[in-house]
Amino acid sequence: AQSVTQLGSHVSVSEGALVLLRCNYSSSVPPYLFWYVQYPNQGLQLLLKYTTGATLVKGINGFEAEFKKSETSFHLTKPSAHMSDAAEYFCAVSVPDRGSTLGRLYFGRGTQLTVWP
Amino acid sequence: SQTIHQWPATLVQPVGSPLSLECTVEGTSNPNLYWYRQAAGRGLQLLFYSVGIGQISSEVPQNLSASRPQDRQFILSSKKLLLSDSGFYLCAWSGLQGYGGYTFGSGTRLTVV
Repeated sequence: AQSVTQLGSHVSVSEGALVLLRCNYSSSVPPYLFWYVQYPNQGLQLLLKYTTGATLVKGINGFEAEFKKSETSFHLTKPSAHMSDAAEYFCAVSVPDRGSTLGRLYFGRGTQLTVWP
Repeated sequence: SQTIHQWPATLVQPVGSPLSLECTVEGTSNPNLYWYRQAAGRGLQLLFYSVGIGQISSEVPQNLSASRPQDRQFILSSKKLLLSDSGFYLCAWSGLQGYGGYTFGSGTRLTVV
């Protein structure tokens, strides 16, 4: 079975500082990888995704993530944090099931990002 | 473009009352549909998923049920709500095998009192 571990349930940074949110996954086959952001009382919004090809993926709002197969990691970064980045972030992994139309998405527990002025 | 609608946005219901949350998707056909619940400190919990009309799979035994009466409609129900049913409910859809990821609705905040 697949699993996702997000290291650190809470991360705090100053405005303008580097944002690094860590995500490690467990999968027996090449996975699809996703980062989602959730603002209070809203649904999850897709930030970026890795399926195939270039391992460095750029997403919305200046975020990017790098798929490192050897480390089974997909860490999310942003060079300079903004106050509006304060939200909860979820890493997710999906492994297509060739015998089914279903693609299960397994979520990490989430990381709450706080940005200090 | 595809859109997903979920309502109501908030709901306060007494214990023992029924529940019906609705989710509809536009701009796509034969989507995979999902119901998730977020409870404080418990992350995202997959409750039900559906790969077609009338096809419902349950992930967690509970007080809730789901139905898919039409291709792009997914309903979450309960006959008698419990206090433990409180939480933030999210509907989502995906294409074949979830290749592009899931697209989520805006959620329903359910408080059972």
